[in-house]
Amino acid sequence: GAVVSQHPSRVICKSGTSVKIECRSLDFQATTMFWYRQFPKKSLMLMATSNEGSKATYEQGVEKDKFLINHASLTLSTLTVTSAHPEDSSFYICSARVGAQAGVYNEQFFGPGTRLTVL
Amino acid sequence: GNSVTQMEGPVTLSEEAFLTINCTYTATGYPSLFWYVQYPGEGLQLLLKATKADDKGSNKGFEATYRKETTSFHLEKGSVQVSDSAVYFCALSEKGNKLVFGAGTILRVKS
Repeated sequence: GAVVSQHPSRVICKSGTSVKIECRSLDFQATTMFWYRQFPKKSLMLMATSNEGSKATYEQGVEKDKFLINHASLTLSTLTVTSAHPEDSSFYICSARVGAQAGVYNEQFFGPGTRLTVL
Repeated sequence: GNSVTQMEGPVTLSEEAFLTINCTYTATGYPSLFWYVQYPGEGLQLLLKATKADDKGSNKGFEATYRKETTSFHLEKGSVQVSDSAVYFCALSEKGNKLVFGAGTILRVKS
């Protein structure tokens, strides 16, 4: 099956610093990538959708200046948490999708997630 | 808005026991329904899906039936194995392909 990797798997940083998380589709080209955030004992919440070569679409309530998303190629998307604070500590998960056929579900393939801890 | 509610875990079972994980949903239209599984250290994987009422999704011995009248999509397996230990997520998607997830249920199977 399609494989999606994330790097790093966990990161600890000081408050006020920025952290970059990479999401790569290893054996397919992803026209669309998604970024999710998961709180303990809570569901995954979609943060943003990014299409290769265009600006990301952010969900309501997600600060786009804080969570910068870049999808520069068909196999790589990055999420940068800028000026991180302890409340940004969370589990961040990306997914990638090949196509976008209208009216049907197009399967997303998920990365293993990145645990961010901000001290 | 759309939402998914699934039973809280963890669910702890002995090997070969019967498994049910309840999932109910709220949606404005007619969503597709999914179960995802996340094994330790891995990404979420699609386990099974159903796209319309009364459809039954099945895979690896797991089954779930799309029940429109009760807005439910309960996951079942007749005989669980230790290797089924994982986190299970119920999810829905409407036309825009945006996935809405439940909180996840941890399943622990003891030998």
